[in-house]
Amino acid sequence: QVQLVQSGAEVKKPGASVKVSCKASGYTFIDYYMHWVRQAPGQGLEWMGWINPNSGGTKYAQKFQDRVTMTRDTSISTAYMELNRLRSDDTAVYYCARVRDYTGRHFDLWGRGTLVTVSS
Amino acid sequence: DIQMTQSPSTLSASVGDRVTITCRASQSISSWLAWYQQKPGKAPKLLIYKASSLESGVPSRFSGSGSGTEFTLTISSLQPDDFATYYCQQYDNYSGGTFGQGTKVEIK
Repeated sequence: QVQLVQSGAEVKKPGASVKVSCKASGYTFIDYYMHWVRQAPGQGLEWMGWINPNSGGTKYAQKFQDRVTMTRDTSISTAYMELNRLRSDDTAVYYCARVRDYTGRHFDLWGRGTLVTVSS
Repeated sequence: DIQMTQSPSTLSASVGDRVTITCRASQSISSWLAWYQQKPGKAPKLLIYKASSLESGVPSRFSGSGSGTEFTLTISSLQPDDFATYYCQQYDNYSGGTFGQGTKVEIK
């Protein structure tokens, strides 16, 4: 079935890096941009950026520009989000989300989320 | 960057009530607005896209309207399954994506 399966929860120390994966199945991976959204505990949703799985092109939110890298491996239909120089306020659930259609503006398919905890 | 402001932040309502949530954009976004429902511990679920188009499988009691800078999500008759948090969202190619801060619909 059509789904996004994310990697498991991570615990990291401040200053470390984390790489979250998002494996797509049930559709043609390269046909839909993939976005990443995060949600800190008890807070709202925050957009982080996207990757074009076909070309590898990316766009990042200015807030994360110098710390985030989004990549993909088309051979295994998987997108990745790596966040560097982690801080305690990066503790959040990280979601991958597929765009709904060619307009690329809204998200119809979400992963279940990956909890990243940053703590010393 | 485009800012999205939702109101109210919390809404108390009873089963059967008509509920309306408002979302305002800091500049015109045409009709490029979506609404999501999120329940605790779950990923958001797309309800409405392009301001007023109902996503497949979403009950018809949900509807969206608006264009430009002002948008509304209406639930015509609130059901027990609808108690959740609702977010509006826009995306534009220049500034990227933005979500509203959320509206929690609680049982009165």
